[in-house]
Amino acid sequence: EDQVTQSPEALRLQEGESSSLNCSYTVSGLRGLFWYRQDPGKGPEFLFTLYSAGEEKEKERLKATLTKKESFLHITAPKPEDSATYLCAVLPANFGNEKLTFGTGTRLTIIP
Amino acid sequence: DAGVTQSPTHLIKTRGQHVTLRCSPISGHKSVSWYQQVLGQGPQFIFQYYEKEERGRGNFPDRFSARQFPNYSSELNVNALLLGDSALYLCASSLARENTIYFGEGSWLTVV
Repeated sequence: EDQVTQSPEALRLQEGESSSLNCSYTVSGLRGLFWYRQDPGKGPEFLFTLYSAGEEKEKERLKATLTKKESFLHITAPKPEDSATYLCAVLPANFGNEKLTFGTGTRLTIIP
Repeated sequence: DAGVTQSPTHLIKTRGQHVTLRCSPISGHKSVSWYQQVLGQGPQFIFQYYEKEERGRGNFPDRFSARQFPNYSSELNVNALLLGDSALYLCASSLARENTIYFGEGSWLTVV
């Protein structure tokens, strides 16, 4: 069974203080690893899809990286508007369906 | 272009009642998936439909059912509601075999 574990559960940072969120996964063949941002009461907002070990993607202050067992979401010089829950999910390689398995998320708070 | 749209946004039902939630995918997307997100948890996969056929089903009881219409919109039906069905129900859409899956804002269901 596919599994995703995210750490830490919650993270409080001062504005400008860079850090990383971790996503460890086990999956029977990886088609893609997804990162989403979710604001309270809203649906997940797509950030990145990573496909293979060594791949990196960037968007503004966010950079996602992927290894064979985990992914990191690096946040550089965060601002208060980066406060949200960040979700990681894996999509298995069998093309029959598109079942995403999610972690429980990391709740990020950026303090001005 | 409009994103994934869901209705209603909020609803309150009584135990034992039935509920129907609706989803319109992004234009051109033929795959629709449903997820349940309980407070503090990541989304859990319920169903995936592609071209009106069920392609995947998560670990949910038979009280949960869904269908997809010729215009690719979808309905999620839940019968005999329980208090534990209270959650945010999310719809996601994607192009076939594309690895970008977009979510709607969700339908908040409260069962009392």
